[in-house]
Amino acid sequence: DTEVTQTPKHLVMGMTNKKSLKCEQHMGHRAMYWYKQKAKKPPELMFVYSYEKLSINESVPSRFSPECPNSSLLNLHLHALQPEDSALYLCASSLAGGIQETQYFGPGTRLLVL
Amino acid sequence: QKEVEQNSGPLSVPEGAIASLNCTYSDRGSQSFFWYRQYSGKSPELIMSIYSNGDKEDGRFTAQLNKASQYVSLLIRDSQPSDSATYLCAVNEGNTGFQKLVFGTGTRLLVSP
Repeated sequence: DTEVTQTPKHLVMGMTNKKSLKCEQHMGHRAMYWYKQKAKKPPELMFVYSYEKLSINESVPSRFSPECPNSSLLNLHLHALQPEDSALYLCASSLAGGIQETQYFGPGTRLLVL
Repeated sequence: QKEVEQNSGPLSVPEGAIASLNCTYSDRGSQSFFWYRQYSGKSPELIMSIYSNGDKEDGRFTAQLNKASQYVSLLIRDSQPSDSATYLCAVNEGNTGFQKLVFGTGTRLLVSP
């Protein structure tokens, strides 16, 4: 099973709302990633968790709050977002065994902030 | 921030032709390189990975790496209309147990029947 699942598929939220994105994998991967992708742009790395510890935060605004409750689950909590945060949010995972490994992407959550 | 550059295209080829996609990167220390395919509205899907100089073949796809020239390419033989997508070159900046991928802007490939 090489599947990374993400819920919800689509999300519409107002600027005062609080919502969460969820990502799950059962491949035994110990590195999990959040990316943001705007239309016609490449994915941009936001956060990396390795063995449930936050290893990289690419200077992401605090209105995005990641959480890794266990090795299979990754959340992204959203609060007070701006319309420019509307994008496709991608989760990915990899073994965390080295640089020569495959990173598997989930289908993404398409977020619209009104 | 290390840079990865691709021609944005679109690259138009007829069905059955060879499509050649190119990518250059700025970090001479990079050791792992990936090609992802992304259909419109979908997530990236890994096509090829390459770590050593030379060619690596998988079916209709061949990845080529030249570390001296800091150049990676992807050849798609016998191109099919279903190959029409954006192809993203990604370079791993990380050197520990997890990856830190830097993506190029992608090349849009159009294969006409």
